[in-house]
Amino acid sequence: DAGVIQSPRHEVTEMGQEVTLRCKPISGHDYLFWYRQTMMRGLELLIYFNNNVPIDDSGMPEDRFSAKMPNASFSTLKIQPSEPRDSAVYFCASTSDPRDRGDQPQHFGDGTRLSIL
Amino acid sequence: TQLLEQSPQFLSIQEGENLTVYCNSSSVFSSLQWYRQEPGEGPVLLVTVVTGGEVKKLKRLTFQFGDARKDSSLHITAAQTGDTGLYLCAGGIYNFNKFYFGSGTKLNVKP
Repeated sequence: DAGVIQSPRHEVTEMGQEVTLRCKPISGHDYLFWYRQTMMRGLELLIYFNNNVPIDDSGMPEDRFSAKMPNASFSTLKIQPSEPRDSAVYFCASTSDPRDRGDQPQHFGDGTRLSIL
Repeated sequence: TQLLEQSPQFLSIQEGENLTVYCNSSSVFSSLQWYRQEPGEGPVLLVTVVTGGEVKKLKRLTFQFGDARKDSSLHITAAQTGDTGLYLCAGGIYNFNKFYFGSGTKLNVKP
């Protein structure tokens, strides 16, 4: 089974440019998460979806960030305009419905390393 | 501020030594997960604990969930170079689909 697939693996762009990160979750998983990881702040949850619907976007830093999930097999995280402080590794993760137990593993992609110059 | 504090932040030991990593919070969690992350990759789940006082063993790794479900520990016996990586704890609060990650412990096991 293919895991969570993220693209691109690396992105270097100049500030002010639009950046789009892509994620394909594991087939059959109902939940999709976007995280950002930095040395200073660790792994932070930005937003998550259930059945393609955004459930909690309280971690999205500001209006420059937006996320969509047009179907069960694809999600995007967009930054417009980008700023140097957005530089980080962005991870996508998916999981199946936990029902009444919180022991469903989140399956992470290998991340997109984003550098804004 | 982090909801979950991990200690130590960095740990460098010789192969064969034992170590313990701690994950602490003032909040009560419904469940607690431990992940290991290697450079250039995403975190991979090691274990989930859901009951206060629960102890789980995974080969040389022993995980414990505190009685009050506010803290957890990871103990590694006879560390190997393959244990090198970033260890992250993640606590779930009532909403099982939202986990708060700790700051991480970077472990380096030297041959």
